Amino acid sequence: EVQLVESGGGLVQPGGSLRLSCAASGFTFTTFWMNWVRQAPGKGLEWVANIKEDGSEKYYVDSVKGRFTISRDNAKNSVDLQMNSLRGEDTAVYFCARGNPPGRYWGQGALVTVSS
Amino acid sequence: DVVITQSPLSLPVTLGQPASISCRSSQSLVYSDGNTYLNWFQQRPGQSPRRLIYKVSNRDSGVPDRFSGSGSGTDFTLEISRVEAEDVGVYYCMQGTHWPPYTFGQGTKLEIK
Repeated sequence: EVQLVESGGGLVQPGGSLRLSCAASGFTFTTFWMNWVRQAPGKGLEWVANIKEDGSEKYYVDSVKGRFTISRDNAKNSVDLQMNSLRGEDTAVYFCARGNPPGRYWGQGALVTVSS
Repeated sequence: DVVITQSPLSLPVTLGQPASISCRSSQSLVYSDGNTYLNWFQQRPGQSPRRLIYKVSNRDSGVPDRFSGSGSGTDFTLEISRVEAEDVGVYYCMQGTHWPPYTFGQGTKLEIK
C-alpha cells in the first residue's frame, strides 16, 4: 500500500524557518518525481515545488523561489521541504504528492502556521 | 503561467440529479507527445485531494463510473451522472502540460440542495 506521511509542521514566527518531511512507503521511491502542494485555510490548491527521481532537477513556484528548498534522500525514501524567511501568506496545509504531474497519491498534510 | 478557470464555483445539486463542472485553460493543454494532461481531483471535507480523472477522461481505479471527464484543447468538463451524498466536497481541475508551475482551477464546491 502506497503511503505518504508528512511531518514537521507547526507554528513559526514571520521570518523564521521550518523543515517539512515526507516519508514514503509501498512503492519504488526512486522511480517517481515528488511534489509539495499547499492549501491556505479555506482556499484552493497551489503547487509549490517538485524534484526529479534522482534529485537532479528541482522546480518551484515563483512565490517561494529563493526561500524554499526541496530535497530528497532516496536511501531513506523521504522528501523534504526546507522553508526559510517564512511569511504570513505561507500559512497552509502542505501536502506531499507523488508523480509528475501530482497524481493519485497524496499525504494527509502538515499544517504550517506563520504568525507572531 | 497557464490560468485555469472553473465554473461554477458553487454547485447545489439534488440527490440523484446530474452535475457538470467546466474547466477552461488560457492555452491549449495538448502536449508535444500528443497527450493532454488535464486531471480532476475531489477533496472531501477534512480530507486530502483524491484524483478522479487523469488525461481528460481516464478514471482512476475505484472511482465510480458515474464520474466522467471529457473535452479537448482548452475546454474540459467533469460530469457526475447521478449525485450521491458522498460526492459532497470541492472539485479541482489541474493542468500538467505547461509546467512549472502546475496550475489548479479555483475549485467548485458541490453541495446537496
